[in-house]
Amino acid sequence: SQTIHQWPATLVQPVGSPLSLECTVEGTSNPNLYWYRQAAGRGLQLLFYSVGIGQISSEVPQNLSASRPQDRQFILSSKKLLLSDSGFYLCAAEYNEQFFGPGTRLTVL
Amino acid sequence: AQSVTQPDIHITVSEGASLELRCNYSYGATPYLFWYVQSPGQGLQLLLKYFSGDTLVQGIKGFEAEFKRSQSSFNLRKPSVHWSDAAEYFCAVGEGSQGNLIFGKGTKLSVKP
Repeated sequence: SQTIHQWPATLVQPVGSPLSLECTVEGTSNPNLYWYRQAAGRGLQLLFYSVGIGQISSEVPQNLSASRPQDRQFILSSKKLLLSDSGFYLCAAEYNEQFFGPGTRLTVL
Repeated sequence: AQSVTQPDIHITVSEGASLELRCNYSYGATPYLFWYVQSPGQGLQLLLKYFSGDTLVQGIKGFEAEFKRSQSSFNLRKPSVHWSDAAEYFCAVGEGSQGNLIFGKGTKLSVKP
């Protein structure tokens, strides 16, 4: 199995402020990496996925961006947060199946 | 378009009773199907998955699920629920054994003592 770390665990940010969520993965090299958002009553929505360093695919148009500067590091960012960015953000790494991190709870006020 | 429907938003069962959580999917090809469980404030843990072969799959924590192609369903079952099973359960369909997953909106399970 793999270990996925997400930082921070919780975050409260004002509207218009920047965002940086970090996901790091321990395990086999070159995993596929994913960012999901879980909003209340809306299930999980895939935001971004990456099949390698510097390779990012976006699933939905939005206020967020993602980067993969290292093989096992996946970062979710925003220049200016919106209220609608509030939610629970989950990072996942894929090694035959998807393993999920513990998540980051983001509240935008 | 691919989609996953979990018709029950919230289910309450008594401890020791049997459980069935419903999942229906819409997918053009043979689906890869998953059930995940999420405890409050936690990430997701894979319970079981179906790729091919025997349509009745066994998972962790005493859960099982049955793939029924004719009904486009992949319902999750457990013969006797424990209080620690209280959590939210997500059904997901994938394009293959790897790749993007499409999740249902989840079913929250409460367990009465």
